[in-house]
Amino acid sequence: SQKIEQNSEALNIQEGKTATLTCNYTNYSPAYLQWYRQDPGRGPVFLLLIRENEKEKRKERLKVTFDTTLKQSLFHITASQPADSATYLCAFTPSGGYNKLIFGAGTRLAVHP
Amino acid sequence: GAGVSQSPSNKVTEKGKDVELRCDPISGHTALYWYRQSLGQGLEFLIYFQGNSAPDKSGLPSDRFSAERTGGSVSTLTIQRTQQEDSAVYLCASSPTSGGAAQYFGPGTRLLVL
Repeated sequence: SQKIEQNSEALNIQEGKTATLTCNYTNYSPAYLQWYRQDPGRGPVFLLLIRENEKEKRKERLKVTFDTTLKQSLFHITASQPADSATYLCAFTPSGGYNKLIFGAGTRLAVHP
Repeated sequence: GAGVSQSPSNKVTEKGKDVELRCDPISGHTALYWYRQSLGQGLEFLIYFQGNSAPDKSGLPSDRFSAERTGGSVSTLTIQRTQQEDSAVYLCASSPTSGGAAQYFGPGTRLLVL
């Protein structure tokens, strides 16, 4: 069956370090991959989108990679700040999926001063 | 500019009652999506609208769930004869196109079925 996995354990890091979050998928042929941030009690907020023919995308302190051979995406936050503490969700659009998003369960990031 | 809005923000209902949840997408966004997020779970796709038509209803969990969109804008998700397992946060999102675009989410409606 189709599956997306994100590390269910919370990630705790020190301020200023780089946070790396992992997203793995099986039995998909994703056309697009997106990363969202979700704060408690709020809807997800779009961060980055990467297409299947792209290897890497950057936006300010954020970087996402997409490896279709490993079936994996990595999400990096450099120079992390306590304000980056949130749950980060990866989501795929299957080929022919009308931009329907299939979400992972999310990884909670805590950045400590 | 105004983002996606949803109402009500919270809804408590008794098992067996019908509920209607409303979504106002960003003006001009042609695509609209409904998702459900249960406690501690990831978001689960329910239905997608392009304009007023719904080419993908594959995520609706049962025939008790239905949705419509009128005027290419407001959408209503209706749950009939609610069950306790329907308790969740129902999120609406819109995007300017349906092809690989970012989705903009509303704050959600928190539904509790007693």
